[in-house]
Amino acid sequence: QVQLVESGGGVVQPGRSRRLSCTASGFTFSTYGMHWVRQAPGKGLEWVAVISYDGSKKYYADSVKGRFTISRDSSKNTLYLQMNSLRAEDTAVYYCAKDYVPGLLGTPPSYYFDYWGQGTLVTVSS
Amino acid sequence: NFMLTQPHSVSESPGKTVTISCTRSSDSIASNYVQWYQQRPGSSPTTVIFEDNQRPSGVPDRFSGSIDSSSNSASLTISGLKTEDEADYYCQSYDSNNQGVFGGGTKLTVL
Repeated sequence: QVQLVESGGGVVQPGRSRRLSCTASGFTFSTYGMHWVRQAPGKGLEWVAVISYDGSKKYYADSVKGRFTISRDSSKNTLYLQMNSLRAEDTAVYYCAKDYVPGLLGTPPSYYFDYWGQGTLVTVSS
Repeated sequence: NFMLTQPHSVSESPGKTVTISCTRSSDSIASNYVQWYQQRPGSSPTTVIFEDNQRPSGVPDRFSGSIDSSSNSASLTISGLKTEDEADYYCQSYDSNNQGVFGGGTKLTVL
């Protein structure tokens, strides 16, 4: 069965960096686009970023553009989110999510998140 | 970019039917598929409706989705309400800038 396991969360000071990881299993990771979605405490869901199945295309929410970088290593079945210049408003549970549509044949991500991880909490505080 | 607007909360009694709306602020609701996610406290979201009106396997047919071009909105309808349906529900789509968009979420109370 599909499993997504995030790691790397914790407490980080404002202005510092943190890298999150998401290890995937149960499906052909190299075939699917992948997303990061976050949820601030007591708030709603916010889409953060997407990477295409082959890593060639990346798109970001305006709130993180220029500060966050999404990447993947298909040899390790792992998705990453490098977060720089962190702010208090980046405090959230970060989920990785699998895109529904396989990306082969040039099909773009569908932005339907059919599987989600359990999330990892990032707290930005001094 | 567009916004998806949902009611903050809805409530209904067990056995009844409830509908949650999701209104798109600009461009046609039919431009991009809408998904609906259920999130229970302390859990990750799960899909109840994808591609406007499709149910993933395992989701009961008490859950249905639709879109209405006249109101430029999507709707999630849950019939035969059960206490286990009490959760937060989010609609979601994406825009022409390749950015995902979520509604603000609706808290469903079954009382």
